[in-house]
Amino acid sequence: DAKTTQPNSMESNEEEPVHLPCNHSTISGTDYIHWYRQLPSQGPEYVIHGLTSNVNNRMASLAIAEDRKSSTLILHRATLRDAAVYYCILREARFGNEKLTFGTGTRLTIIP
Amino acid sequence: DAGVTQSPTHLIKTRGQHVTLRCSPISGHKSVSWYQQVLGQGPQFIFQYYEKEERGRGNFPDRFSARQFPNYSSELNVNALLLGDSALYLCASSLPGLAVTGELFFGEGSRLTVL
Repeated sequence: DAKTTQPNSMESNEEEPVHLPCNHSTISGTDYIHWYRQLPSQGPEYVIHGLTSNVNNRMASLAIAEDRKSSTLILHRATLRDAAVYYCILREARFGNEKLTFGTGTRLTIIP
Repeated sequence: DAGVTQSPTHLIKTRGQHVTLRCSPISGHKSVSWYQQVLGQGPQFIFQYYEKEERGRGNFPDRFSARQFPNYSSELNVNALLLGDSALYLCASSLPGLAVTGELFFGEGSRLTVL
């Protein structure tokens, strides 16, 4: 599986935007970029995913580099509830593929 | 609607024992997968089941097995427990056909401690 690289930890002030980077230089043409987050004492939670174009949903935005070798998850206005471990995952575009290869993720701390 | 439910939430076993963990997917979801999360690490894929058939297997020993029932619930079995099996075991379900567009919905996990 293609690997992703993320910073171990980041801090951000409450109500400010947060940009979480992810490098995936060995991404293949059929890999989708997924982001999940895991709040303390909970299972992972889907955040967003994309292939080539930037994506927006109610939780976040995903900016994908033109060469697809990196991406950035953007939380537009961080709240204390966004404190979690964020995982950037490459998921092969294959029917029925539910294998997610998690790394160690980025632990995001929100400062009040 | 209820989310993915797992039982038990916590359990303690001793080395050499056997454990069975259970998972009920979200209503309408036919695919279930299992993950192991050791403290301080990301979840690791163990199995995926769809329509009662194994569709994927991670790099885990044969002591780990699973099955899916006609109602799409699932069990994960671990035999001959080792100290290193202590972890949070997560179950996830999804709608069929959403290989890349669909999200996986995770339960809150079963925390297994092996003494």
